[in-house]
Parts: sequence; structure tokens; C-alpha cells
Amino acid sequence: EPEVTQTPSHQVTQMGQEVILRCVPISNHLYFYWYRQILGQKVEFLVSFYNNEISEKSEIFDDQFSVERPDGSNFTLKIRSTKLEDSAMYFCASTGTGVFTNEKLFFGSGTQLSVL
Amino acid sequence: GQQLNQSPQSMFIQEGEDVSMNCTSSSIFNTWLWYKQDPGEGPVLLIALYKAGELTSNGRLTAQFGITRKDSFLNISASIPSDVGIYFCAGRLISNFGNEKLTFGTGTRLTIIP
Repeated sequence: EPEVTQTPSHQVTQMGQEVILRCVPISNHLYFYWYRQILGQKVEFLVSFYNNEISEKSEIFDDQFSVERPDGSNFTLKIRSTKLEDSAMYFCASTGTGVFTNEKLFFGSGTQLSVL
Repeated sequence: GQQLNQSPQSMFIQEGEDVSMNCTSSSIFNTWLWYKQDPGEGPVLLIALYKAGELTSNGRLTAQFGITRKDSFLNISASIPSDVGIYFCAGRLISNFGNEKLTFGTGTRLTIIP
């Protein structure tokens, strides 16, 4: 089965530093997402991205966050100045054409971000 | 925002027992989904439900989409060791096609006692 690939699997950073989390969605997919999961809590929607622009974002996705599709394969999440509370597992996900309501959302294995 | 309440929070069962968990919401969803998450991994879709009242099976798993569209349950029959993990319900309210903004429940942690 096709996979969403995320790198790195773990990222440790100092508070105030910028981090970029990378994702390679499934190759023919058009819709891309970032979710996050704070340890022991539920998975939370951050942002959806289609046609090179954000289609929806949550209140968590403030000005410190940005997303980009720099080329035909990568999808990145940047946190400009990390805070302690940004420590979480970040999941990238993608779906295909988005035309069919029964499309499956594929999640990557996640990047564990630890802010010290 | 929308909230999904999932219960129970955790379950300790013996191998071979049946499991039942449910999810309720204060608002309506168009689709209910059940995911399983293993440690250090992303959620993996188990069952998707698209119509109110729909009952769907996937092997030993059975899930139903509540008639009110505000709840869903998941049953696992004859549990086996690989069923251990955290199970999440998720609701989807499609405002635009392709916008897979999911609202996740709080999770049910399943542990099998040897």
C-alpha cells in the first residue's frame, strides 16, 4: 500500500528555534494535511492545503506556523519560533482527488518534536 | 469547536473477550471513522461509516453510525494480542470536497491481560 513518509522521526530543538518538518505525501494525492498529537491526548487538526494554498486552518495554527509545497513531492510544516507547548507528535496526511466522499486519509508515522 | 467524547478511556480485557467502545458528539457529522494507533505510529483507518444507521464490518470489527449522526460504536469480537493499542473515533463534516478536517475523539486504550 502507498505510504506517506515523514522525516525526521524525532526532532529535538531549543525553545525559540525554527524547525521544519518534512513530509512526502502519496504521489498522486492532491490534498495535504498536518495534524498534531500532544502526548497522551487526542489527534488535532492543524491545517489543510490544496492547490498551493491553505484551505482551512485551526486556531492552533497561528502566525508561528506555515506550510509550503516547495516542489512536486514535498510538503513542509515550519514553526518559526518554537515554544515548549509545541512539543508533540506531528502527523502529515494526504488524500487523493477529494471528489469522492469515501476517500481514505493516509497518515504518516509522525515526527516527534521535543522543545527544550 | 466540535468535541467528541469517547468511552471508556481504557479497557483491560483477557484474550478472547469481546470489546465495545463508543463515541458521542454534541454536533452532527457526515462521516464517522474509527482509527487504531500503535505506539510511535500514525493512526490507521479501520472502518469508515458514511450513512446514518449504517452497520459495517471489517473482519472481527463492527461499527455503526448512529441514526442521529451524533454517535458511533465499535465492537471487536474475540480479541487477540495484536488488538492492543489506542482506538480513536473521528468525525468528518465535509464543507468542501476533499477537506478532510477530522475531529478526533479522546481515545480508548485497549490492554489485553495475559
